[in-house]
Amino acid sequence: KQEVTQIPAALSVPEGENLVLNCSFTDSAIYNLQWFRQDPGKGLTSLLLIQSSQREQTSGRLNASLDKSSGRSTLYIAASQPGDSATYLCAVLMDSSYKLIFGSGTRLLVRP
Amino acid sequence: GAVVSQHPSRVICKSGTSVKIECRSLDFQATTMFWYRQFPKQSLMLMATSNEGSKATYEQGVEKDKFLINHASLTLSTLTVTSAHPEDSSFYICSARSFQGMDSPLHFGNGTRLTVT
Repeated sequence: KQEVTQIPAALSVPEGENLVLNCSFTDSAIYNLQWFRQDPGKGLTSLLLIQSSQREQTSGRLNASLDKSSGRSTLYIAASQPGDSATYLCAVLMDSSYKLIFGSGTRLLVRP
Repeated sequence: GAVVSQHPSRVICKSGTSVKIECRSLDFQATTMFWYRQFPKQSLMLMATSNEGSKATYEQGVEKDKFLINHASLTLSTLTVTSAHPEDSSFYICSARSFQGMDSPLHFGNGTRLTVT
């Protein structure tokens, strides 16, 4: 059974810092991995999607990497801003199904 | 981009009553929709997969008689929480695929906050 873990569970940083969020998964038979942002009481916004054959994806100040063999992904946020404060979720799509399996998320607070 | 509308955004109901949550794909046809539940500070847990015109597939541990899912059209899926109890209070989110295949992106609704008193 696939298990997705995110570390840390919560993170508070001053504005301007670069930071790294971690995601690990136990079953490497994934089709892709996705990072989402969730604001309080809201749905999900897709940030980056990495196919299993890819190593990384970049969008603006965000960079996500994937090491499928070791079951790890990182989300790098450069020059953090207060508007980046949210919960960040990683999710893996299994090779064998259409199901997305989510991690428990990292709650990020960027202090002005 | 593809939009998924979920309604209502918030609902409060009394214990023992039933509540219906709607999930609509506004500008695309969704043959498959997914329903998730999220408890505070926890992740999204898949409850069921809904395919248009057929019975939903429920995840292990999810009571199909309690969480009724209907996907009667290509743009609408509904989740009915029957005989709701306080432990059913949670955040429910739907998502939909805009086309078949593993590469089809998932589009999420904004969720429904259910509070059972």
